[in-house]
Amino acid sequence: EAGVAQSPRYKIIEKRQSVAFWCNPISGHATLYWYQQILGQGPKLLIQFQNNGVVDDSQLPKDRFSAERLKGVDSTLKIQPAKLEDSAVYLCASSFEGGGNTIYFGEGSWLTVV
Amino acid sequence: KNQVEQSPQSLIILEGKNCTLQCNYTVSPFSNLRWYKQDTGRGPVSLTIMTFSENTKSNGRYTATLDADTKQSSLHITASQLSDSASYICVVSPYSSASKIIFGSGTRLSIRP
Repeated sequence: EAGVAQSPRYKIIEKRQSVAFWCNPISGHATLYWYQQILGQGPKLLIQFQNNGVVDDSQLPKDRFSAERLKGVDSTLKIQPAKLEDSAVYLCASSFEGGGNTIYFGEGSWLTVV
Repeated sequence: KNQVEQSPQSLIILEGKNCTLQCNYTVSPFSNLRWYKQDTGRGPVSLTIMTFSENTKSNGRYTATLDADTKQSSLHITASQLSDSASYICVVSPYSSASKIIFGSGTRLSIRP
């Protein structure tokens, strides 16, 4: 079974530039999550989708972050403009229906803002 | 406020030794508690998942225990191997909103030869 796919794996950008991350969840998983993980901390939920609808985006900095899952499968997370404090790993995860099931994580997209 | 606290923050042990990682939570009631292993540069991988009614769950050399009365969970690693070097994250799903899972900050475990 293929896992959660993410790209790019690594990205270095200058502050005020934009960046986009892509995620392809495990086939059949209705729930998709984007997490931000700063070094030494646990993942922090940015946004959760159920199919193509948003379930929770309360911690998404909407002035600079946006995410979409137009067809209920793949998802993109965009940051524009980036700030130094956005340097982190962006983890995409998926599960069958939500928190009651095991959540499978991708390998993450490592962002460095300089 | 629902919280998940892990201790120690970091731990170094010799290869072959056993160790126990702790997780204290204030989430109540909860749907399930999970332990994840996160290798450096990789995404977290699920080790165990326990519902509130379960006391213990094993996965090879990893054994998780749960005491719902004291709101504590532990992850015991037996006969540690170099490949066990990783961060171990405790994750709790509140019963009222199973989708709003709460992550601990993790314990960074280093195994020395």
